[in-house]
Amino acid sequence: SQQGEEDPQALSIQEGENATMNCSYKTSINNLQWYRQNSGRGLVHLILIRSNEREKHSGRLRVTLDTSKKSSSLLITASRAADTASYFCATSRNTDKLIFGTGTRLQVFP
Amino acid sequence: DTEVTQTPKHLVMGMTNKKSLKCEQHMGHRAMYWYKQKAKKPPELMFVYSYEKLSINESVPSRFSPECPNSSLLNLHLHALQPEDSALYLCASSQDVQGSGNTIYFGEGSWLTVV
Repeated sequence: SQQGEEDPQALSIQEGENATMNCSYKTSINNLQWYRQNSGRGLVHLILIRSNEREKHSGRLRVTLDTSKKSSSLLITASRAADTASYFCATSRNTDKLIFGTGTRLQVFP
Repeated sequence: DTEVTQTPKHLVMGMTNKKSLKCEQHMGHRAMYWYKQKAKKPPELMFVYSYEKLSINESVPSRFSPECPNSSLLNLHLHALQPEDSALYLCASSQDVQGSGNTIYFGEGSWLTVV
């Protein structure tokens, strides 16, 4: 069964705007990861945040984690058309059994 | 570019056929995975191999048979599949299954169509 629920399911923005995606999960975790998937392609790892971390940055990406609320957010700043993709959060507990959320489909218009 | 290579990229097979999907990684990773992904759905875990031994089988039907010939290779043997098995099959690897924070690297996937 799926661990995470993401919202929104779909998001459309203009280039240059920021995109925020949220992920909620149900049980305690060791870490949470975000992945990007272009249509029909494999998944690309974006960022990993451990349960004892609250925020991480990587380039235009900012991820936050609130373990008390069992939620995480991914912020993409100054979005580009090339950011158009599906974004998934994924959580793991004691092993690397990675459970994916439902995903957010992001469309960035030029 | 992904360092997990999957072949073939596309496969069409009949319900009585026997075929195999192949996956290879040269990152020295000791954990390898098979995921299944239906359209507009998240990937679902099928199998986990750790140090060439099957460690997790997510109650996958026996018509899917994984094999790990060595630490770099992972196969998925397919036999007597059903049309509902049509999906994108993703292979992945990570340094180890133990502990937290092992990034899992995915291949580009194999698109399977069962007719």
